[in-house]
Amino acid sequence: SQKIEQNSEALNIQEGKTATLTCNYTNYSPAYLQWYRQDPGRGPVFLLLIRENEKEKRKERLKVTFDTTLKQSLFHITASQPADSATYLCALDPSFSGGYNKLIFGAGTRLAVHP
Amino acid sequence: NAGVTQTPKFRVLKTGQSMTLLCAQDMNHEYMYWYRQDPGMGLRLIHYSVGEGTTAKGEVPDGYNVSRLKKQNFLLGLESAAPSQTSVYFCASSYGTSMYTQYFGPGTRLTVL
Repeated sequence: SQKIEQNSEALNIQEGKTATLTCNYTNYSPAYLQWYRQDPGRGPVFLLLIRENEKEKRKERLKVTFDTTLKQSLFHITASQPADSATYLCALDPSFSGGYNKLIFGAGTRLAVHP
Repeated sequence: NAGVTQTPKFRVLKTGQSMTLLCAQDMNHEYMYWYRQDPGMGLRLIHYSVGEGTTAKGEVPDGYNVSRLKKQNFLLGLESAAPSQTSVYFCASSYGTSMYTQYFGPGTRLTVL
């Protein structure tokens, strides 16, 4: 069956450390993979998009990698801050969706950065 | 720009009642979506639209109907609410296909008793 897996357990890290979140998928061949941030009581907010032919993408303190062989994306936040505490969702284009933008979302991983 | 707005923010229904959730976007996006989010299950697509006058089923369409009479609005209807439809509902819009960002509204928390 097709699925996207993100670590359901919260990730607790110390301020200033690098947070690494994992998104694994099975039985998809996505052309694109996106990461979103969701704060409690709010809608998700887009962070980064990475294409299947890109190995790595950076934006300020954020870095995303995409390994189509391992079927995995890693999301890194360097020099983490308490303000980075949120739930992070990965989403992918299932590529067989006929060209329509039907993103499939993972359940998300909650990150807590402690001072 | 207001972005994506949703009405109402909260609603409590009794089983069997009906209601309509309204989504509006001011970004001139062609694509609009309705998702539901339940604990531990992530966002699941209910219905979507790729343009004015078009709608299509997503992953979990049963019990819901939608309409896109105007490009900027996407309505989600529950004809006969059931407790299983208790959830947080998010509307989103995007410019185009999967290489584009989806912009989400603030959500509607619906409880069906």
